[in-house]
Amino acid sequence: AQSVTQLGSHVSVSEGALVLLRCNYSSSVPPYLFWYVQYPNQGLQLLLKYTSAATLVKGINGFEAEFKKSETSFHLTKPSAHMSDAAEYFCAVKNTGNQFYFGTGTSLTVIP
Amino acid sequence: EAQVTQNPRYLITVTGKKLTVTCSQNMNHEYMSWYRQDPGLGLRQIYYSMNVEVTDKGDVPEGYKVSRKEKRNFPLILESPSPNQTSLYFCASNPDRGNTEAFFGQGTRLTVV
Repeated sequence: AQSVTQLGSHVSVSEGALVLLRCNYSSSVPPYLFWYVQYPNQGLQLLLKYTSAATLVKGINGFEAEFKKSETSFHLTKPSAHMSDAAEYFCAVKNTGNQFYFGTGTSLTVIP
Repeated sequence: EAQVTQNPRYLITVTGKKLTVTCSQNMNHEYMSWYRQDPGLGLRQIYYSMNVEVTDKGDVPEGYKVSRKEKRNFPLILESPSPNQTSLYFCASNPDRGNTEAFFGQGTRLTVV
């Protein structure tokens, strides 16, 4: 079975600072990789997904993620945090059988 | 508008009283799933369905049932709810295999007392 590890259940950054949320996956072959964001009292919304076309993936709201096969990582970054980025972020893997596996989530706090 | 609709959004019930949470999608997706979200545990899959009349257990199926009689609907049934089923539930759908994302409903917060 696939597994997804998100290091850091809580991350705090100052407004304007770099956001880095870590995600590592276990897979013998590169799976399908996704980042989702969950705002309070809402469902999960897709931020970005990895396609084999490029290792650096750009998503919505200025977020991007880099796929590193050698490190089995898919870390999420944003150069400058905004107050509206405060949310829960989930990394997810989908296997070839169309099943999704989610990390335990990282709660991002942005300090004014 | 493409969406996954869950009802109800909030539900408080008593132990042992059967309940159903409905889920409907208007995107003609083959795959539908149910997840529960608990603090520190992320999302865990309860059941999934690959198409009409085809369902299978996820990681935490105990205490739940599902059915897929129509492509658009995938209700979650708790025949005898218990307090440990208090959680936030999400329904999701996605198209067939490949690099396709899951689309989520708004969630149902269930409290069993």
